[in-house]
Amino acid sequence: KQEVTQIPAALSVPEGENLVLNCSFTDSAIYNLQWFRQDPGKGLTSLLLIQSSQREQTSGRLNASLDKSSGRSTLYIAASQPGDSATYLCLSTTGRNYQLIWGAGTKLIIKP
Amino acid sequence: AAGVIQSPRHLIKEKRETATLKCYPIPRHDTVYWYQQGPGQDPQFLISFYEKMQSDKGSIPDRFSAQQFSDYHSELNMSSLELGDSALYFCASSLGQGRPEAFFGQGTRLTVV
Repeated sequence: KQEVTQIPAALSVPEGENLVLNCSFTDSAIYNLQWFRQDPGKGLTSLLLIQSSQREQTSGRLNASLDKSSGRSTLYIAASQPGDSATYLCLSTTGRNYQLIWGAGTKLIIKP
Repeated sequence: AAGVIQSPRHLIKEKRETATLKCYPIPRHDTVYWYQQGPGQDPQFLISFYEKMQSDKGSIPDRFSAQQFSDYHSELNMSSLELGDSALYFCASSLGQGRPEAFFGQGTRLTVV
């Protein structure tokens, strides 16, 4: 059964730094992997989707990569801003029934 | 573009009452997923439907039931509510075949008092 892990659980960095969030999965037979952002008490905002045939996707200051062989996806945030502070979750779609498996998230704090 | 619609957005119920949450998937999407997210927790999978049939079941309590209707909208029925049921309930939809990108609704915040 697919397991998705996000380490670290929390991260605090000064504004302006580039940073990488990690998502690991055990079953490489995924259909896609999505990165979401969630502000406290709010809904899920989809950031990037990488299909299994793709290696990376970019949107503005965000870049997500996918390496199925190593079971890893990374979300790179360039020139971080306080407004980037949120919890970032990765979601894998896998299996015969297109199961959606969440990571536990990384809580990111960008200090002004 | 149309997104996943959940209603209501907020709901307050008393213990032992019943609640019904609704999810309207993106048009032509045939798969619906329900998730429960408690405070500070990651979303926990409850149940999913594909073409109006239950396709997968997670940690859904016996007090909860759900179904997907002929128009593909789904309802999550929650009975004998407990304080611990207070959470954000997300619905997601996808087109089950091909490239199943999941799209999430904004969630229903249920507060049980």
